Amino acid sequence: NAGVTQTPKFQVLKTGQSMTLQCAQDMNHEYMSWYRQDPGMGLRLIHYSVGAGITDQGEVPNGYNVSRSTTEDFPLRLLSAAPSQTSVYFCASSPRAGTVGSTYEQYFGPGTRLTVT
Amino acid sequence: DQQVKQNSPSLSVQEGRISILNCDYTNSMFDYFLWYKKYPAEGPTFLISISSIKDKNEDGRFTVFLNKSAKHLSLHIVPSQPGDSAVYFCAASARASGTYKYIFGTGTRLKVLA
Repeated sequence: NAGVTQTPKFQVLKTGQSMTLQCAQDMNHEYMSWYRQDPGMGLRLIHYSVGAGITDQGEVPNGYNVSRSTTEDFPLRLLSAAPSQTSVYFCASSPRAGTVGSTYEQYFGPGTRLTVT
Repeated sequence: DQQVKQNSPSLSVQEGRISILNCDYTNSMFDYFLWYKKYPAEGPTFLISISSIKDKNEDGRFTVFLNKSAKHLSLHIVPSQPGDSAVYFCAASARASGTYKYIFGTGTRLKVLA
């Protein structure tokens, strides 16, 4: 199992550019989430998905789009990058509630460090 | 409005002693709590969790205590080891309401001194 993978590891964008951060998991988890980590702010939830075809907003969704066409993949799209979106982005997945033996913890990817100039 | 708060940004402890990390929450709907550890340049990793039906959960050197009336939880690490030096995040979820959103605190950086 590769777990949760994220690409790219690093990215520099100019203001106004768009890009997609990729996230994939091979654990057949139904739940997937995107977070951003900023100094002194902890991890803030951007968007999450409870299954293929279902997504919802988190705490800081503005400027980001997501879709979930398969169980495995949950890409995060920046439509028009802004310097305020400079951050480290983490994708996470967790099994469905009621899964035998699960403690419902989220498994995190290694992160994507994004700089917007 | 910070629903999950970790008021100590940093903590230093001598090797072999107890580390106590604290977390407060404001939303009474939260019924499941987790602690994560994060090393630099890595994603957070799960440490231990507790459901609101319990007041204590142990896993080796790690124990989490939950005080629902005070809306407070703490993570105890005994004995502390240099490899425990990391940033620790607490997270909360309101599972009974059908949501699987996790709200994280701002983290506490633990330094264990050899």
